[in-house]
Amino acid sequence: KAGVTQTPRYLIKTRGQQVTLSCSPISGHRSVSWYQQTPGQGLQFLFEYFSETQRNKGNFPGRFSGRQFSNSRSEMNVSTLELGDSALYLCASSLDHYGYTFGSGTRLTVV
Amino acid sequence: EDQVTQSPEALRLQEGESSSLNCSYTVSGLRGLFWYRQDPGKGPEFLFTLYSAGEEKEKERLKATLTKKESFLHITAPKPEDSATYLCAPQGEGAGNNRKLIWGLGTSLGVNP
Repeated sequence: KAGVTQTPRYLIKTRGQQVTLSCSPISGHRSVSWYQQTPGQGLQFLFEYFSETQRNKGNFPGRFSGRQFSNSRSEMNVSTLELGDSALYLCASSLDHYGYTFGSGTRLTVV
Repeated sequence: EDQVTQSPEALRLQEGESSSLNCSYTVSGLRGLFWYRQDPGKGPEFLFTLYSAGEEKEKERLKATLTKKESFLHITAPKPEDSATYLCAPQGEGAGNNRKLIWGLGTSLGVNP
């Protein structure tokens, strides 16, 4: 069965630009969570969507937003990029809190 | 406040040298504790979920155990391919259906041939 697919794998953006990342969960999974991972901070929770509704949110500024579509695919958007937004962005899908499967991530570099 | 601490931060072993990684946690209403393995530049790969104190799970050279305050990941006779960062994440019971995973910073394990 297909795993979690994140696109693109790598991205380079300039400060001030915006970016949209995509995540296709495992078929049948309705929950999608997003994380930011940096070497010093580890995995930081951004938000979780379940059946197109944001169910949980971490402590990130409003520049970080997301949405989920009726087919459970999810996107996250970061506006007005800052150098500190450079990170590996991971999404994880699950049936509902049971067993989270991660994608390979999108490596975002802001220059 | 929910917290999790993993130790040691880094560990280097010789092939065949067994050891244990520690995950200490303080979480309200523990619903489960997850162990993941992460290779550089990749997403975490699921290893185990433990749900109650006293529970143990095994997979190849790995065994995870759980108490009310800690979880251990025991690695028996490791091989170089076991080199990775091991992450633990207890899951607390948030309000309503808002369960969150609280992630440790991980233990970076290197195994020399």
